[in-house]
Order: sequence, then C-alpha cells, then structure tokens
Amino acid sequence: GAGVSQTPSNKVTEKGKYVELRCDPISGHTALYWYRQSLGQGPEFLIYFQGTGAADDSGLPNDRFFAVRPEGSVSTLKIQRTERGDSAVYLCASSLDGGLSATEAFFGQGTRLTVV
Amino acid sequence: AQRVTQPEKLLSVFKGAPVELKCNYSYSGSPELFWYVQYSRQRLQLLLRHISRESIKGFTADLNKGETSFHLKKPFAQEEDSAMYYCALSGRTSGSRLTFGEGTQLTVNP
Repeated sequence: GAGVSQTPSNKVTEKGKYVELRCDPISGHTALYWYRQSLGQGPEFLIYFQGTGAADDSGLPNDRFFAVRPEGSVSTLKIQRTERGDSAVYLCASSLDGGLSATEAFFGQGTRLTVV
Repeated sequence: AQRVTQPEKLLSVFKGAPVELKCNYSYSGSPELFWYVQYSRQRLQLLLRHISRESIKGFTADLNKGETSFHLKKPFAQEEDSAMYYCALSGRTSGSRLTFGEGTQLTVNP
C-alpha cells in the first residue's frame, strides 16, 4: 500500500510489560512523527525523526518511552514497564520533509494500546 | 507555550445550513494553521492549511491574527461532512511538531 502502515492495529498488554509499536512510513518520506491520542483528546506530539535521527523528542513523557528509526525508514516506539495511563491510540505520520508549510503529514490508522 | 482551543466538542446542524467550527490559538510569533479531518473509520487527514488559502470540499478558513482565530466555515453543510475536525498549529519555535486542539465532532442531519 502507498499509505503509512502501523502494526499491530490493536495491542492489549498487562501492566508492567514491555511493548513495541511499529510504523512503516510512505516510501521516500524522510520525516516521521509519533503522536499519542487519549480518549476525547486531540493527538499529542511525542517525537519527530528526520532521517535516522530524533530531531525533537521533547514530547516523550518519561524515560519509559523510546523510539528508533535505525535505517531512516521503519520506526519502532518502545514502551517499558507499561502503566494503565499509557492506554491510548498511538499515531504515526510521515512527510516528504519536515517543512509542514509545504508538505503534508500523512497519518497511519494508529495502534490502540490497552494496558490492563 | 503554544495552545489550540476548540470550544465546541459537539456541533450539530441540518443539511444545507451554514456551519462554522471555531478554533483559537496562542503562539508567540507567526504560526502556521491547519485543519485536519477524521471521517468515521478512516485515518486523520489534512483538510486545508492557511498558507494555501484554498477551499477544499467547500470549506474555507481565514487566519485572523488580531483575534488569534482560524475558524472553519462552509456555507451549505452536507451529510458527508459529518466527521471529527481538529485544528492544529505549527511554528518556527516548535519545529515540525503539530499542536492539536481537542477536536469538534460535527454531525450534519438530513
């Protein structure tokens, strides 16, 4: 497919467990973003990659959250010692470059994470 | 700090009626404003951005720097416009991140 792909679409995990969420951006897009959307809220920025490097990780809530993009394409968001408050839809987006005035950010369908 | 406020969580209008979804922002500098839309069971997608000054699906939005607003308007609502609408902001001091409002669920009744 030509769009941003996120797997899994749903993930249920027990409190304290480790989870990985995957994002496949649109081919050729150098910019990749992770957002978190809690129920009834708008998406909240987590981290932005330009190529392989995290250009802005100021939205990560604490050190339990980590994201990588080792080859500048696929990205993985990793959450350690999950808490019930981590339950949310995690959205990934990609754009041709990081300049949002000229390029559009395309979103994936999201991964719904439920911590029980 | 930058912030986007959408005062109405729910908005309901009849088909053919005008619709206005409100968005106010706070930002120190010149922001870029966007409207994103999410139709039922679909992914979030860009509707329009102020810098393009375009009309998409009959919707327009004008950036009013004096009132720090970016309201979305359509003169004649259609049933297929029913969706969740998010106003979003980015700016030089925030790099490429988008700051979203909480969203307005628009329902257009037949």
